[in-house]
Amino acid sequence: QKEVEQDPGPLSVPEGAIVSLNCTYSNSAFQYFMWYRQYSRKGPELLMYTYSSGNKEDGRFTAQVDKSSKYISLFIRDSQPSDSATYLCALGNSGNTPLVFGKGTRLSVIA
Amino acid sequence: GAVVSQHPSWVICKSGTSVKIECRSLDFQATTMFWYRQFPKQSLMLMATSNEGSKATYEQGVEKDKFLINHASLTLSTLTVTSAHPEDSSFYICSARGLAGGANEQFFGPGTRLTVL
Repeated sequence: QKEVEQDPGPLSVPEGAIVSLNCTYSNSAFQYFMWYRQYSRKGPELLMYTYSSGNKEDGRFTAQVDKSSKYISLFIRDSQPSDSATYLCALGNSGNTPLVFGKGTRLSVIA
Repeated sequence: GAVVSQHPSWVICKSGTSVKIECRSLDFQATTMFWYRQFPKQSLMLMATSNEGSKATYEQGVEKDKFLINHASLTLSTLTVTSAHPEDSSFYICSARGLAGGANEQFFGPGTRLTVL
């Protein structure tokens, strides 16, 4: 079993829809959780960072962590065509160990 | 978020030449920098991790003599692709972690597209 599992999609939704992106993980040692957005031919951009179970909201984005189920989610409300990108979850431990990335989910928001 | 820059943004070179890519953290000190490679429509592949002032740690399968990494200061890391070949053509992205915001946040540069003819 891979450390982090993420459905690669592609996921296509109409403009205005609520989008749910998810990752599951197997290593309970992960302490912090991030979501990145990557546009084509660009570097990933950090969207959300959290280290505890529960919800964290930032504008139209909500990150949800359930450590007991080893499940993390990113919700996008009122999705826009500009949200069309690849979304990567990333999990980390303490210290200088590299983040473990999901494979990314390709999202298309259709106007 | 913190800003990480990369230079050049794209480069085309002949087979056999060496190419240097610079990665800079502009508004924070990067205690650790990471170098990734990404092929089209594929996920990020970690190549190496470097801490300022020490040798880089390479991932399995990455040739350290081919991909030279120098992390000479808290704001600069370089990746040199030596004797580049067409199979080295890829999108190279650096990332920095340091004392910006949360201590574990990791910020990415915009990437460098390398094409080897």
